[in-house]
Amino acid sequence: AQTVTQSQPEMSVQEAETVTLSCTYDTSESDYYLFWYKQPPSRQMILVIRQEAYKQQNATENRFSVNFQKAAKSFSLKISDSQLGDAAMYFCAYRSARNTNAGKSTFGDGTTLTVKP
Amino acid sequence: EPEVTQTPSHQVTQMGQEVILRCVPISNHLYFYWYRQILGQKVEFLVSFYNNEISEKSEIFDDQFSVERPDGSNFTLKIRSTKLEDSAMYFCASPRGLNTEAFFGQGTRLTVV
Repeated sequence: AQTVTQSQPEMSVQEAETVTLSCTYDTSESDYYLFWYKQPPSRQMILVIRQEAYKQQNATENRFSVNFQKAAKSFSLKISDSQLGDAAMYFCAYRSARNTNAGKSTFGDGTTLTVKP
Repeated sequence: EPEVTQTPSHQVTQMGQEVILRCVPISNHLYFYWYRQILGQKVEFLVSFYNNEISEKSEIFDDQFSVERPDGSNFTLKIRSTKLEDSAMYFCASPRGLNTEAFFGQGTRLTVV
């Protein structure tokens, strides 16, 4: 079974600075997807960024980028120019690409990000 | 308009009562998933549903839980006899296709008293 580990329960960053959230995972599969979700106080799950395992290029979405190290099974999220609205719980998630297991995601414990003005 | 809509947004129920949580996708989705998040804890997989059948379920998804797609559009999660420990946020998620990310509904906050 796949596992996802977020070793930082809490992180803080000064507004306008950069912060990196860590995520490692364990799997025996070679084809899969990785995601970062943002959960603000409203508790809605918002997809931040997605990475396909077969792609070597790291995904980027505006101020959000990932450092995907497949061999190390590491998938960190970098938030640049942090804004107050970035304050939330962030979850790393894994999803197999196998058709027989499509869609089910395994989540990490989450990292609470605080942004200081 | 959100890709997946859940109703109700918040439900309070007495222990032992049955509750039905609803999920409606904006377009024709074939795959559905229910997740549960107890306050302050991680998001946990409950069940996946494809082609009107359960394709996978977790240990949490015991006999008190059931899912169905009664009319081809709504997707429901029923908890037959709620317990205090069922209090949580319940999320429905659904992708447009097999190789796309799942859109999460806004969640239903269930409080069992």
